[in-house]
Amino acid sequence: DVKVTQSSRYLVKRTGEKVFLECVQDMDHENMFWYRQDPGLGLRLIYFSYDVKMKEKGDIPEGYSVSREKKERFSLILESASTNQTSMYLCASSLATASQYFGPGTRLLVL
Amino acid sequence: DAKTTQPNSMESNEEEPVHLPCNHSTISGTDYIHWYRQLPSQGPEYVIHGLTSNVNNRMASLAIAEDRKSSTLILHRATLRDAAVYYCIPGAGGTSYGKLTFGQGTILTVHP
Repeated sequence: DVKVTQSSRYLVKRTGEKVFLECVQDMDHENMFWYRQDPGLGLRLIYFSYDVKMKEKGDIPEGYSVSREKKERFSLILESASTNQTSMYLCASSLATASQYFGPGTRLLVL
Repeated sequence: DAKTTQPNSMESNEEEPVHLPCNHSTISGTDYIHWYRQLPSQGPEYVIHGLTSNVNNRMASLAIAEDRKSSTLILHRATLRDAAVYYCIPGAGGTSYGKLTFGQGTILTVHP
């Protein structure tokens, strides 16, 4: 079975802190994605990557950056966390244009 | 991205079939029709996808209209575990790198 793991299920940070969210997949997938999910707004794509060191902006990239130094790992970085970045963050991976496999999510609270 | 229309919510009784509709009238010729579902407190999970022909797997069936402007996800016998938000997503065709755009989905409630 494909496994996508995220570094934390719950995270509490303070405004202005730098936050790293890590995602690891074990199936050699080329594509990896970061979404955030908010009540009433659904899942929105932040960034995605289709290869090592390659990244593309999604629908809401502002305030975020990403890093993909190894194929299995895709990191989401909040350079200076703000309260409006309190959300559920979901990572996913896929092979080419095949179905996406999601991790369990990280619930981030920024105080 | 193709615009989709799904009912906000639907209800079913346990062990009855459920037909979840989706309209995607602006779908492009290379876009697949994907269905995902999200159980409470979990990430979305893949259910089924198709291009033109009807598709069946162990979880569900997908019926695609001949003009591809609509599709229906069929759960043959709903269980309580099928209570979830169901997302219909046209996309991931061509050179999109598998990118999908999730809408609001349909909240399915299953009654015992």
